[in-house]
Amino acid sequence: QSVLTQPPSASGTPGQRVTISCSGSSSNIGSNTVNWYQQLPGTAPKLLIYSNNQRPSGVPDRFSGSKSGTSASLAISGLQSEDEAHYYCAAWDDSLNGPVFGGGTKLTVL
Amino acid sequence: QVQLQESGPGLVKPSETLSLTCTVSGGSVSSGSYYWSWIRQPPGKGLEWIGYIYYSGSTNYNPSLKSRVTISVDTSKNQFSLKLSSVTAADTAVYYCARVGVGIYYMDVWGKGTTVTVSS
Repeated sequence: QSVLTQPPSASGTPGQRVTISCSGSSSNIGSNTVNWYQQLPGTAPKLLIYSNNQRPSGVPDRFSGSKSGTSASLAISGLQSEDEAHYYCAAWDDSLNGPVFGGGTKLTVL
Repeated sequence: QVQLQESGPGLVKPSETLSLTCTVSGGSVSSGSYYWSWIRQPPGKGLEWIGYIYYSGSTNYNPSLKSRVTISVDTSKNQFSLKLSSVTAADTAVYYCARVGVGIYYMDVWGKGTTVTVSS
């Protein structure tokens, strides 16, 4: 059972916009920033969005993040086949003094 | 460009101790700007934070694993290590080391991961 809650799956067709939600609590998302990681099949997670809505160098602007209260979301516009991956939200948890993760969302590009 | 590389046995027997090392290249484990972390991912499941260490040696562990985990740092070798004792099949996972920025709290650099199977 993951601390942060994500839908297990999401899907869309090429060119569409999809969003993935992430729900937490006051000790994590409610008081700290949210980060998103993309995990392509057979590879390590890669930082996709940090500090709620910032993109590391090299991440396309098709990816965007937002946060409100104890929830956050990742949006992917102009969906491409190479976006098919697992996406994980994460946030620092003040009770744990460490990071907590969502269970991951498998994105399928139809 | 900082890179992390995990190493260690891929097979561990039940009740024994799992030992992994993460070698840091292109950067220094002695940097005061980062925590050095271990994260694992059981087959087909999500990510679980195990713990982290600061260059000074101070640590913080996930309470669910705290009684079995030890993370240490060797600044002379630019490495940090994980020991997980009394392993069971539930500890079978891909183990990742990662860098976490102090005060910014996201993992910006990850190792490629190493698979550890617990089996007799």
